[in-house]
Amino acid sequence: AQKITQTQPGMFVQEKEAVTLDCTYDTSDPSYGLFWYKQPSSGEMIFLIYQGSYDQQNATEGRYSLNFQKARKSANLVISASQLGDSAMYFCAMREIPGTGGYNKLIFGAGTRLAVHP
Amino acid sequence: DSGVTQTPKHLITATGQRVTLRCSPRSGDLSVYWYQQSLDQGLQFLIQYYNGEERAKGNILERFSAQQFPDLHSELNLSSLELGDSALYFCASSPGWTGEGDTEAFFGQGTRLTVV
Repeated sequence: AQKITQTQPGMFVQEKEAVTLDCTYDTSDPSYGLFWYKQPSSGEMIFLIYQGSYDQQNATEGRYSLNFQKARKSANLVISASQLGDSAMYFCAMREIPGTGGYNKLIFGAGTRLAVHP
Repeated sequence: DSGVTQTPKHLITATGQRVTLRCSPRSGDLSVYWYQQSLDQGLQFLIQYYNGEERAKGNILERFSAQQFPDLHSELNLSSLELGDSALYFCASSPGWTGEGDTEAFFGQGTRLTVV
């Protein structure tokens, strides 16, 4: 079965510094997708970045980048130049493989709470 | 703004009651997913619809049901509500299954359900 593990319940970082949020995954299929979401205290889930298992390069979206190490089955989120508004819960998720019956449903990790300090 | 609209944002109801949560997906998206987020269970997939048809079921209770209408909006019906059903319910949408899998999935703002 597919599984997402986020081992850091909480992290803190100083404003303007970079921070890495860890995510490891477990799957037996060579084709999968990995997502990161941000959930601020207001509750909404904000899509940040996507990485496909066959993508040759690490995904980047503005200050967000994904450090994808396929052999280690890790997909860490890197936030550069942290801002106070980055304080939130961050979830790593994996897309279940099309064709297994689950189509595009997402399996989520437990999340990491990030606090950015001034 | 994700483009996914959920109503209502907040709902308070008594045990034993029935409620309906509504979701309008992003324009052009054919797939709608429902998720439940609770403190003890985290984010759990409930059910998926694609172009009006049920495609996948997750940890959805028999007291819960959903449907997707021809205009692609979806409703999640929760009945015989219990205190433990209190949670944040999310709807998400994505373009649909292409065989390669969607590279994006956008969530609505959620409906916070409180059962008292």
